[in-house]
Amino acid sequence: AQTVTQSQPEMSVQEAETVTLSCTYDTSESDYYLFWYKQPPSRQMILVIRQEAYKQQNATENRFSVNFQKAAKSFSLKISDSQLGDAAMYFCAYMNEQGAQKLVFGQGTRLTINP
Amino acid sequence: GAGVSQSPSNKVTEKGKDVELRCDPISGHTALYWYRQSLGQGLEFLIYFQGNSAPDKSGLPSDRFSAERTGGSVSTLTIQRTQQEDSAVYLCASSFSQTYNEQFFGPGTRLTVL
Repeated sequence: AQTVTQSQPEMSVQEAETVTLSCTYDTSESDYYLFWYKQPPSRQMILVIRQEAYKQQNATENRFSVNFQKAAKSFSLKISDSQLGDAAMYFCAYMNEQGAQKLVFGQGTRLTINP
Repeated sequence: GAGVSQSPSNKVTEKGKDVELRCDPISGHTALYWYRQSLGQGLEFLIYFQGNSAPDKSGLPSDRFSAERTGGSVSTLTIQRTQQEDSAVYLCASSFSQTYNEQFFGPGTRLTVL
């Protein structure tokens, strides 16, 4: 079974600074997808960024980018120019390309933005 | 357009009672998922519906849990004889298809079993 590990329960960063959230995963599959979701206090999970395992290029969405290291099974999220609205729980998630399209989540990292 | 909606937003029930949680997916989305978010277990998959295929029930924690999806749209998650360990936030998500698999989540139902 696949597992996802986020080793940082909490992180904090000064507004406008850069922060990196860590995620590692374990799988025997070669084709899969990786995601970062944001969950603000409203509880609604919002997709931040996704990465297809077959793509070597790291995904980027505005201030959000990932460092995908397939051999190391590592998938970190970098948030640049942190804003107060970035404060939330961040979940790393894995999905197989084949079979059940269910997300396997990490434990989450609570990100605090200091003004 | 409308996103995934869930009702009720909060539900408080007594141990031993049955509860029904509802999910309205985004119109046109063929895939629907239920997840549970609890302090002890984190976010865990419960059940997955894809079109008219048999659902993937592999994540349901016990036979007290069941779900159905009527007409390929609305889904209801039923928990019978609730226990205190069932207290959690129940999240529903939908996606357009199995190949375009970005899942859009609803706001969840917070269930409290007293």
